[in-house]
Amino acid sequence: KQEVTQIPAALSVPEGENLVLNCSFTDSAIYNLQWFRQDPGKGLTSLLLIQSSQREQTSGRLNASLDKSSGRSTLYIAASQPGDSATYLCAVISNFNKFYFGSGTKLNVKP
Amino acid sequence: DGGITQSPKYLFRKEGQNVTLSCEQNLNHDAMYWYRQDPGQGLRLIYYSQIVNDFQKGDIAEGYSVSREKKESFPLTVTSAQKNPTAFYLCASRDGAEAFFGQGTRLTVV
Repeated sequence: KQEVTQIPAALSVPEGENLVLNCSFTDSAIYNLQWFRQDPGKGLTSLLLIQSSQREQTSGRLNASLDKSSGRSTLYIAASQPGDSATYLCAVISNFNKFYFGSGTKLNVKP
Repeated sequence: DGGITQSPKYLFRKEGQNVTLSCEQNLNHDAMYWYRQDPGQGLRLIYYSQIVNDFQKGDIAEGYSVSREKKESFPLTVTSAQKNPTAFYLCASRDGAEAFFGQGTRLTVV
C-alpha cells in the first residue's frame, strides 16, 4: 500500500522567507501528484498538479517538483506572505485511480 | 459556476441514527470520492466511484454506504454501525488528472 509522508508537520516562518515543504511516497508507480491547500474548517484547494511524466510545475510564487525514482516531491513557496498560512497536503494518485494523502504541513507565516 | 457542493455544512447525529451527507458536482466528472479527515491525520478514503452504478470500498468503508445512481450525485450514508463517526467529511471528483474538492461536512455525534 502506498504510504505518503510530509515533513515537517508544522513550520513557522517570518514573512518574506522562501520555504520548502517535503512529500515522500513509498511506491514510485504513480499516475500523478497533486498539492493542495486547506484553510481551517474548509475543503481542499488545488495548487499544482504534476503528471508522472513531468518534473515540475509552476504557478505564481509556487513551484512543485517531482522525482519519481526517489519517491519525492517538494513544494517551494517564494517570498512567503501571511495569507499563505494554511495546511498544505500532497496526494499521490495511483494507477488504480486512488488518492493517497500525507498528513500535511501546517504553515504559519508571521507578519 | 462549476464545482462540488456538499451539504449540510454541519450535521449532528444521535446515537443509533443513520444520516446521509450530500455531494453534488456539475463538472461532468466520472470519478467521485468520499474521504474522512480526523484532527492531525491525513485524509482516509471511504468509498470511490469511477462510473455511474458502480463503486468500490476504500480503506475505511465499514459503517458507511454509498450510491451512484446519477453521474452528478454521490451521497454517503453514515450508519449506526459506524462507532466513531465524528469527523470532517470531504467529497471529491476527478476529471482523469486533477481532483477537485467540496467544502466539507462536519459531522458530530450528540
